[in-house]
Amino acid sequence: DAGVIQSPRHEVTEMGQEVTLRCKPISGHNSLFWYRQTMMRGLELLIYFNNNVPIDDSGMPEDRFSAKMPNASFSTLKIQPSEPRDSAVYFCASTSGLAGGTYNEQFFGPGTRLTVL
Amino acid sequence: KNQVEQSPQSLIILEGKNCTLQCNYTVSPFSNLRWYKQDTGRGPVSLTIMTFSENTKSNGRYTATLDADTKQSSLHITASQLSDSASYICVVIGGFQKLVFGTGTRLLVSP
Repeated sequence: DAGVIQSPRHEVTEMGQEVTLRCKPISGHNSLFWYRQTMMRGLELLIYFNNNVPIDDSGMPEDRFSAKMPNASFSTLKIQPSEPRDSAVYFCASTSGLAGGTYNEQFFGPGTRLTVL
Repeated sequence: KNQVEQSPQSLIILEGKNCTLQCNYTVSPFSNLRWYKQDTGRGPVSLTIMTFSENTKSNGRYTATLDADTKQSSLHITASQLSDSASYICVVIGGFQKLVFGTGTRLLVSP
């Protein structure tokens, strides 16, 4: 298995532009997570899906952020309009079962490093 | 408030030495606790997952302990190697599948 796939690996954009990050979870996993990581705040859960349905989006910072999971093999995280404070590394992870189910190990993708100028 | 605090923030040790990282949490109710290793520029990788009833769990040179009464966990690394240089993140899973993350300990193993 190729693991969790994220694209792009790096994104540099200007303030105000729309940014779309993509994720392909591990085949057979039914939970998908989007995280943001910064030096100041560490790793933060933004949203997670179970069976393509958003379960917990309490970590989504504001309306500029939206996430979709149209099918079991694809998810997007969109920021519109982007701001410099959105600069971070965005990770996608997947697991079988629910988020915190015992022994449901989460597998992380390589991340997308976003820089908003 | 559900929180996970890790200490120290950073640590430098000599290759071959042992070290212990700490994780204190206030998350309630408690489901399980996880330790992740994150190499620079890569996503976190799971080291251990511990439930309420487990006191100790090992993964090679990594040994995690959990005291659910005092709400403390530790990660002990034995005979450190240069490849152990990474950030170590403690995550506590609470009620309703809520994940609460620590800010991590940055470990540098020096030759």
